[in-house]
Amino acid sequence: DARVTQTPRHKVTEMGQEVTMRCQPILGHNTVFWYRQTMMQGLELLAYFRNRAPLDDSGMPKDRFSAEMPDATLATLKIQPSEPRDSAVYFCASGLVVTGPNYGYTFGSGTRLTVV
Amino acid sequence: GENVEQHPSTLSVQEGDSAVIKCTYSDSASNYFPWYKQELGKRPQLIIDIRSNVGEKKDQRIAVTLNKTAKHFSLHITETQPEDSAVYFCAASKIQGAQKLVFGQGTRLTINP
Repeated sequence: DARVTQTPRHKVTEMGQEVTMRCQPILGHNTVFWYRQTMMQGLELLAYFRNRAPLDDSGMPKDRFSAEMPDATLATLKIQPSEPRDSAVYFCASGLVVTGPNYGYTFGSGTRLTVV
Repeated sequence: GENVEQHPSTLSVQEGDSAVIKCTYSDSASNYFPWYKQELGKRPQLIIDIRSNVGEKKDQRIAVTLNKTAKHFSLHITETQPEDSAVYFCAASKIQGAQKLVFGQGTRLTINP
């Protein structure tokens, strides 16, 4: 059963520290999303990539967040410096998008980030 | 851009009864509508989806209906069981183009034994 792999599963860090979250999409998938989930905001789209190119990162606070896809097997989301309000679960999702029907996206297990 | 509203935010039903969750979307160009189920502490998982060329789709106890004119779609769960307790999210997207998923706020469904 193909899976989206996210690391780390849990991260506790102090305010001001840099945090890097990683995602390995399902092999062959060409679209990767980063979502943030909080109790108040539900699932917020932060950024997404198609064929490794960023398509939209308008949901991300640009001053502290950055998202990259250095190769087809790795997507990263970085926060520098981190703040307590960044505490949330960060999900990566991947899917195969071609010119035609959307076959659905698969979510990873998430990274639970706590900034103290 | 697309905006998806989901109601109710919480829903409690007796085991064996039916549950209905409703969503409305704003972008008439959206044509793909998936539903995700998220159990406590776990990742969202796709349970059913519908494309705009059909009005209804069923999979055992779950069904989704779509009204393109009114721009709303609904999830129906019949003969509810305790394992149906979870948070359910609707989403909207376009089959062509960017295909990003915009989610509703979620519905916490509780099945009472």
